[in-house]
Amino acid sequence: DAKTTQPTSMDCAEGRAANLPCNHSTISGNEYVYWYRQIHSQGPQYIIHGLKNNETNEMASLIITEDRKSSTLILPHATLRDTAVYYCIVRVGGYNQGGKLIFGQGTELSVKP
Amino acid sequence: EAQVTQNPRYLITVTGKKLTVTCSQNMNHEYMSWYRQDPGLGLRQIYYSMNVEVTDKGDVPEGYKVSRKEKRNFPLILESPSPNQTSLYFCASSPRGVGTYEQYFGPGTRLTVT
Repeated sequence: DAKTTQPTSMDCAEGRAANLPCNHSTISGNEYVYWYRQIHSQGPQYIIHGLKNNETNEMASLIITEDRKSSTLILPHATLRDTAVYYCIVRVGGYNQGGKLIFGQGTELSVKP
Repeated sequence: EAQVTQNPRYLITVTGKKLTVTCSQNMNHEYMSWYRQDPGLGLRQIYYSMNVEVTDKGDVPEGYKVSRKEKRNFPLILESPSPNQTSLYFCASSPRGVGTYEQYFGPGTRLTVT
């Protein structure tokens, strides 16, 4: 699986958009980009995933660059409840490796009033 | 409400006393999995199940058992718990098809073994 690099921490003002970057320069053509978050000691929460097109759902938008070497998760109007550690994961889709999720260090996002 | 539930949420027990942590999902998901999370070690997969009666070991299966007799339930059994199994445990489920890594997690069970 391709390695991902994320900033260790970021701050965002409440009500503003939070843009969380992720680098995955060695991503291969059949690997998806997944985003999860974990609020302190709660179960990880799936946010969104994509292959090459930009994706949007009720939680966030995922922007993937044309060369697929990086992506950005956008929380359009961050709230205090969005304070969490955000994980970018690159995996081949399907049932490979028993569906095991491996979280790296992630980005600790602090949303401030 | 679509969800994964775990019980108990908190448990303190003693070495050697058998225990079961239950996991149930109401989303008709075929895939289910157990993870443990420890400081500095991240999430580690214990067991997973592709469907009813089909289970397989993850990365850290020693000391654990699972069963999948019904689609919705995937209990984690510790036959003889030891202090090194003190951890935060998560159950997860996923719909079939592309997106196995789109997983939905339970709230967690914090287990302390003394």
